[in-house]
Amino acid sequence: EIVMTQSPATLSVSPGERATLSCRASQSVSSNLAWYQQKPGQAPRLLIYGASIRATGIPARFSGSGSGTEFTLTISILQSEDFAVYYCQQYNNWPAWTFGQGTKVEIK
Amino acid sequence: EVQLVQSGAEVKKPGESLKISCKGSGYSFTSYWIGWVRQMPGKGLEWMGIIYPGDSDTRYSPSFQGQVTISADKSISTAYLQWSSLKASDTAMYYCVRHDGRQSPFDYWGQGTLVTVSS
Repeated sequence: EIVMTQSPATLSVSPGERATLSCRASQSVSSNLAWYQQKPGQAPRLLIYGASIRATGIPARFSGSGSGTEFTLTISILQSEDFAVYYCQQYNNWPAWTFGQGTKVEIK
Repeated sequence: EVQLVQSGAEVKKPGESLKISCKGSGYSFTSYWIGWVRQMPGKGLEWMGIIYPGDSDTRYSPSFQGQVTISADKSISTAYLQWSSLKASDTAMYYCVRHDGRQSPFDYWGQGTLVTVSS
């Protein structure tokens, strides 16, 4: 099983600032990496796939990068609606998808 | 518009059986896989299993094999997740997800079904 490790567990950021979230895979997943956003009481929503491709309707302030085992999600200018939990997921192995444990982005 | 609409919240006792549902609309139900994802209270996401409604091909995560059963009725565009004997540790939110069967993410999610198991 591919283990996904996210850091930090919690990120305290002020609105308008930049947030950088990390995700590491225990073995290479190529670019088969997605990011999801989950707000309280809601289902997760796909943000990024292919490590760097924004899903339909996702604002340009969200960007993803990386390949292999190291990945980053950057939110360039945090808006109030961006405070949420973010999960990375590898889909390199079918059907053996695994998620990271999540990073909570909270208001500083 | 693609939609996955799940059945409502359930409160059950240990040892009882349960079947929850996920109805797809706005796309060809038999051309995509439907998966299930568990989220225990305050915890992260775990993939449980997936089914292809076109031919009922089903795969399970090793962690959930034998613990749950996934099925589908393509005539009514609905997938199911069922338990024969619930445990308190099955208390969680369960999401259905859509997948195209290739190397791709879960592109659509249901709204979730909260299952509470308590004596």
